[in-house]
Amino acid sequence: EDQVTQSPEALRLQEGESSSLNCSYTVSGLRGLFWYRQDPGKGPEFLFTLYSAGEEKEKERLKATLTKKESFLHITAPKPEDSATYLCAVPPDSSNTGKLIFGQGTTLQVKP
Amino acid sequence: EPEVTQTPSHQVTQMGQEVILRCVPISNHLYFYWYRQILGQKVEFLVSFYNNEISEKSEIFDDQFSVERPDGSNFTLKIRSTKLEDSAMYFCASTRQRANYGYTFGSGTRLTVV
Repeated sequence: EDQVTQSPEALRLQEGESSSLNCSYTVSGLRGLFWYRQDPGKGPEFLFTLYSAGEEKEKERLKATLTKKESFLHITAPKPEDSATYLCAVPPDSSNTGKLIFGQGTTLQVKP
Repeated sequence: EPEVTQTPSHQVTQMGQEVILRCVPISNHLYFYWYRQILGQKVEFLVSFYNNEISEKSEIFDDQFSVERPDGSNFTLKIRSTKLEDSAMYFCASTRQRANYGYTFGSGTRLTVV
């Protein structure tokens, strides 16, 4: 069964303390891995798409990387405004309609 | 920046009642989706819609659910007879290209069934 697993479930950082979030997936034919940010009570906001192992994407303090079985979201010198839940998602092998399966997310809290 | 708009933001309904959740996708987008998120759980796929028909639906999307694009701008999700377990955030999303999964999501409708 296609699965997406994120770790840790929750992460508390001090402002400026860099760290990484992990997303592992089990789809056999990866057609992209997608990172979203979700603020409380809001819909997910698209951040990055990664398509092949070794690919990296950056946006401000965030950098996403991809290997054959997992992706990392590196947060460098985070600020309180980076506090949110970060979701990763992949299209399942069985679907080509745009469906995504999501991980449960990592809730990041950055304290000043 | 273009947005996906969802109304209402919060709806409370009695068990057994019908509800319609409304979405206005981005105007030049062609692929439309509904997802839901039960409190504390994963975002789950419900249905994808293209060219005025359902492309795919999940096991959750049973006969009590339906979707419609009644005109060129609105995209609705109807739940015919709500159950307590339908309580969740419902998100509409759209994208211009099927292969582009960088959806734009709306802010969601929080449905509470009492």
